[in-house]
Order: sequence, then C-alpha cells, then structure tokens
Amino acid sequence: KQEVTQIPAALSVPEGENLVLNCSFTDSAIYNLQWFRQDPGKGLTSLLLIQSSQREQTSGRLNASLDKSSGRSTLYIAASQPGDSATYLCAVRVHNTNAGKSTFGDGTTLTVKP
Amino acid sequence: GAGVSQSPSNKVTEKGKDVELRCDPISGHTALYWYRQSLGQGLEFLIYFQGNSAPDKSGLPSDRFSAERTGGSVSTLTIQRTQQEDSAVYLCASSLDGGAADTQYFGPGTRLTVL
Repeated sequence: KQEVTQIPAALSVPEGENLVLNCSFTDSAIYNLQWFRQDPGKGLTSLLLIQSSQREQTSGRLNASLDKSSGRSTLYIAASQPGDSATYLCAVRVHNTNAGKSTFGDGTTLTVKP
Repeated sequence: GAGVSQSPSNKVTEKGKDVELRCDPISGHTALYWYRQSLGQGLEFLIYFQGNSAPDKSGLPSDRFSAERTGGSVSTLTIQRTQQEDSAVYLCASSLDGGAADTQYFGPGTRLTVL
C-alpha cells in the first residue's frame, strides 16, 4: 500500500526566502508524481507533474525533483511571495495502466509573511 | 475552454436520503476521477473512469456509493442512504488520457453535509 508523507505540516517564512517542501513515498513503482496547491475553500491547482522516468520539472519560480530510489520528491520555491501562501499537496500515482488512484499526502501549509 | 465544473457547490441533506453529485470534465478528456476530502482524512481516491468504463473502483468506501459516466463526458456520483460520515468535499478531476504525462485538473468540489 502506497503511503505518502509530507514534512513539515506547516511552514512560515518571510517574503523573499527560498524554501523546500518535502514529500516521501513508500512504494517506488510509481507512474508519476504531481504537486498541487490548494487555497482555502478551493479546489486543487496543478503545479508540476514529474513522470516516473524524469528527475525534475521546472515552472517559473518552482522546481520539483524526483528520486524514486529513495522515495522522495521536493518542491523548491524561489523568492517566495505572500501569494504563495496555500497548502501544497503531493500526489503519487501507482504504476498500473488500469489504476487511476493517486495517493495524496496530507499537505504542507505555507504562510509567506510580507 | 472551461475547466472542470461540479454541481451543486453545496448540498445539505438528511441522514438516510440519497444524493447525486455531478461532474462536467474538460471537453475531450477521457479520464475522470472522483476524490473526497474530509477533515482529518486528507484527500481520498474514490473511482477512476477511462471513457465510460471504470477500471478502478478501489476507493469506493461501501456499496452505498456508485458512479457512472455517460457519453464519455458527464459523470454522476450517487450516495444512497447517506450517513453523517459521508460529510466531506467531493472533488472531481479530469485528464486527457490517463497516461503518465497526464495532468489532473480539479473542479471546485461539492461540499456535502449530512445532518
């Protein structure tokens, strides 16, 4: 059974700081890993998706890495802004073409202070 | 084009009643997913559709839960004889084809409250 853990559960940083969010998973036979942000009372917004064969993906100030052998992914946010404040979730999809299940971590709630 | 839409946005029902939740995926997306998000439970997978068929129903918590998808588009999640523990936000997502490079796009969710 795939288990996904995100550490820390909450993080508060001053504006402008670079930061790293962590995601670990127990089964390395994954299909892909996706990072989302969730704003209070809203749905999920996709940030980055890393396929099983990839090591990292970048979009703007965001960089996500994947190390399957160690069961870890990190989301790096550069030059954080107050608008980055949200809950960040990672989701791991199992390596099975008929399996649609993604297992989510409980998220890291980020607060960026002006 | 439009994103994933869900209706209703909020639903309050009495214990024992049946409810139907609707999801309209992004046009052209063949893959559709249902999840629920409960306080203290995180985000939980319910069911996955590829076209009109559901190859993965592994997350449905009981036989009170069912889902269908017609015409490869709209999906309905039905909960029969609702219980208070069914209270949650039900989220729908769609993606192009369910492949490894496939990004899931989520709707805003339906908040279900069972009194």
